[in-house]
Amino acid sequence: EVQLVESGGGLVQPGGSLRLSCAASGFTFSSYWMHWVRQAPGKGLVWVSRINSDGSSTSYADSVKGRFTISRDNAKNTLYLQMNSLRAEDTAVYYCARDSEGSGSPTDYWGQGTLVTVSS
Amino acid sequence: QSVLTQPPSASGTPGQRVTISCSGSSSNIGSNYVYWYQQLPGTAPKLLIYRNNQRPSGVPDRFSGSKSGTSASLAISGLRSEDEADYYCAAWDDSLRGVVFGGGTKLTVL
Repeated sequence: EVQLVESGGGLVQPGGSLRLSCAASGFTFSSYWMHWVRQAPGKGLVWVSRINSDGSSTSYADSVKGRFTISRDNAKNTLYLQMNSLRAEDTAVYYCARDSEGSGSPTDYWGQGTLVTVSS
Repeated sequence: QSVLTQPPSASGTPGQRVTISCSGSSSNIGSNYVYWYQQLPGTAPKLLIYRNNQRPSGVPDRFSGSKSGTSASLAISGLRSEDEADYYCAAWDDSLRGVVFGGGTKLTVL
C-alpha cells in the first residue's frame, strides 16, 4: 500500500524558515518523480514544486522560486521541502504527492498534509 | 488565478447527471492528459480520473471523464449525497514543466 506521511509543519514568523519532510513507503520511491502541492485555507490546490527521480532536475512555481528548495534522499525514501523567507501568503496545508506516470504528470497518491502557518 | 478554468460551483439533485468543465491551453490540456480529483472537507484530494477518462480501481463508474482539444469535462451520473465535495482538474504543463490545477468546483447535492 502506497503511503506518504508529511511532517515538519508548524507556526513560523514571517521571514523564517521551515523544512518539511515526506516519508514514502509501499512503492519504489527512487523510480518516481515527486511533487509538493499546497492549499491555503478555504482556497484551491496550487502546485509548488517537483523533483525528478534521482534529484538532478527540479522546477518551481513562480511564487516560491528562489525561496523554496525541493530535494530527496532515495536511500531514506524521503522527500523534502526547504522553505526560506516565508511570507504570510505561504500559509497553507502542504501535501506531498507521487507523480502518477513516474515522470512528468499529475499525481496519484497524496499524503494527509501538514499545516504551515506564517504569522507573527 | 488558476491556469485551468473551472466553474466555481455546480449543483444537482439525487439521481441527476452533472458535468463540470475545465478549460486550458495548448501547453497543458491541449498536449497532455487531464486528471480529476475529489476532495471531501478536511481530507486530502483523491484521484478520480486519470489519462482523460480512466478510473482508478475503486472509483464507481458513475464518474467519467472526457477531453476535446483544450477542454475537458467530468460527468457524474446518478448523483448521490456523498458526491458533495470539491472537484479539481489538473494537467501537466509543458511550458511550466509542472502541474497546473483548476480553481476547483464545489458540487452541492440539493
